[in-house]
Order: sequence, then C-alpha cells, then structure tokens
Amino acid sequence: QQQVKQSPQSLIVQKGGISIINCAYENTAFDYFPWYQQFPGKGPALLIAIRPDVSEKKEGRFTISFNKSAKQFSLHIMDSQPGDSATYFCAAGHNQGGKLIFGQGTELSVKP
Amino acid sequence: NAGVMQNPRHLVRRRGQEARLRCSPMKGHSHVYWYRQLPEEGLKFMVYLQKENIIDESGMPKERFSAEFPKEGPSILRIQQVVRGDSAAYFCASSLGTANTEAFFGQGTRLTVV
Repeated sequence: QQQVKQSPQSLIVQKGGISIINCAYENTAFDYFPWYQQFPGKGPALLIAIRPDVSEKKEGRFTISFNKSAKQFSLHIMDSQPGDSATYFCAAGHNQGGKLIFGQGTELSVKP
Repeated sequence: NAGVMQNPRHLVRRRGQEARLRCSPMKGHSHVYWYRQLPEEGLKFMVYLQKENIIDESGMPKERFSAEFPKEGPSILRIQQVVRGDSAAYFCASSLGTANTEAFFGQGTRLTVV
C-alpha cells in the first residue's frame, strides 16, 4: 500500500530527445506527487510537483502527467540536455505534510 | 538564506562505535525528516520530527537508532553500536509546516562503517 514503483531503472537518451520516466502508486490517500533530481554526491532537489486535481503540470522543459484512475504519473523532459544527466526520483505523500515515499530512482544519461 | 545544513558530510566509524549526524533545517522550518539511501536504492523514510516532538518514527529500526529535534539546536540522528549494514547516505529534509509539503534536502552525511 505504501509502495511507489518507478521505471525504467536506467535511461539513455540522445541530446534533444524526450526522456520519460514512469511511476505507479498504490495508496489512493496520496495527494502530493513530487519529482526530485539528484546529482552524484548531492542531496535530492525538488524539480516539479503535482497534486491530483490536475492532470498535467509544465515547468519549462519538465512536464508531469498524472492519471488518477490508473494511479500513475510520469515525468517528461523535453529537449533533453547532457546537463540533465542525473538520477530522478518520483515520490508520493500527503498534502498535509509528513513523510514521502520514494520510487527506486531512474539514472538518466543524455548523450551529446 | 542557507539551505538545509548537514554535518559532517562524511563520517567513518568502526563497528560498535556511535555515529551522530546533525541537521540544521532551513530558517523558519520547524519540520524535519530523516531518510536513508543505500547504494543504488531510493530514499527510505526514517523519522519525522517537529520541535521537541517525534511525529512519525515508523521507518526507524527498533534498536540502536534514535532521533531528536530539541527546542534549540540542530536535529540529531544517533546510531549506537554501528554495524557494516548501517553504511549509507543519510539525508535530512525540512519543510515549513503541515500545509506545505515542499521538502528541501540537505547534502547528506555519508556514513561508512569499517
């Protein structure tokens, strides 16, 4: 019930391509879904987040698509750049605060 | 405006010693979370604290691990009698309050048990 499943585990994309990372959750009580970006040796940094009252949120080259009925959400990185190479984590939590349940992470490599 | 500060960044302990990890939240943040990240894995929730209170410790191992967030000073994660399996990166995050779940993470403390 508390799991968040993330795929793929690793992803290689050519510069300028679209990177797509998918996550699925089980607990319908979750109402906050952030994505974090982590570079080696650094802490996770919040990239973008969505709440279930919207189906899509876009910030620059980053878009979250949310499918409430399927209990799935995904991150799309448009025009991927080598500087986007990092590990990406999806997470789920509650709007009223508290812990986040993280996915297993996706190691993205963008080739020049 | 400093972010979440964790120290030390790297900590080496021999088996059986104690490890103390410190976390100073962002200014104005009164909610602190500790997560553990094992190599090649995601972050696992350990404990959620507010000033002087433990709100949720469902992710804390039952023995050897404890956490506190005193009225004054940083939050401390204490691991007693460390074992090799405790080697991991420990991250602290802070948030503003219950209605704001945007959590900001520190750089982490990388604990190595030898």
